[in-house]
Amino acid sequence: SQTIHQWPATLVQPVGSPLSLECTVEGTSNPNLYWYRQAAGRGLQLLFYSVGIGQISSEVPQNLSASRPQDRQFILSSKKLLLSDSGFYLCAWSVQSEAFFGQGTRLTVV
Amino acid sequence: GIQVEQSPPDLILQEGANSTLRCNFSDSVNNLQWFHQNPWGQLINLFYIPSGTKQNGRLSATTVATERYSLLYISSSQTTDSGVYFCAVEGKLIFGQGTELSVKP
Repeated sequence: SQTIHQWPATLVQPVGSPLSLECTVEGTSNPNLYWYRQAAGRGLQLLFYSVGIGQISSEVPQNLSASRPQDRQFILSSKKLLLSDSGFYLCAWSVQSEAFFGQGTRLTVV
Repeated sequence: GIQVEQSPPDLILQEGANSTLRCNFSDSVNNLQWFHQNPWGQLINLFYIPSGTKQNGRLSATTVATERYSLLYISSSQTTDSGVYFCAVEGKLIFGQGTELSVKP
């Protein structure tokens, strides 16, 4: 069966430090991969979307970037974190239509 | 782009009560999902339902694609049903703002 792994679960980083969040999917090939952010409040905002290796669509201009070095690996990065980057980051995958989410990373920038 | 609106934004129920959550979307969609976000933040898949009706235990959902809405029914609610319920549409999963449900014992 398919599983998605996202780590770390929580992270506290100082302003100006770099960021790397990793997400991997097992049990499927060529999934669509997504990064979302949920800030204070409820809405989930799509940050990046990938349909294949090296193919990244950025949905919102920001301080973050994403990469997909392998078929089932999706990485969210920043060179210098801002206070406004704090939030709950969720990775998701889908094949055909239904999407499934990882457990999320709670990032606090201090 | 497609707009997704959920109502009500907040709902407080007594344990055992029934409820209906609504999701309206501004354009036709080929994909609609309902999720439950638990207190730990995890998004749990409830239904993949671009059209028609599905049931899973005390939960059921109906999507009327031609009228651009979907309904999530919760019957005999339990305290463990508390959390935020989201609908999301299309391949890139455009989310509504959610309905925060609180079930009191």
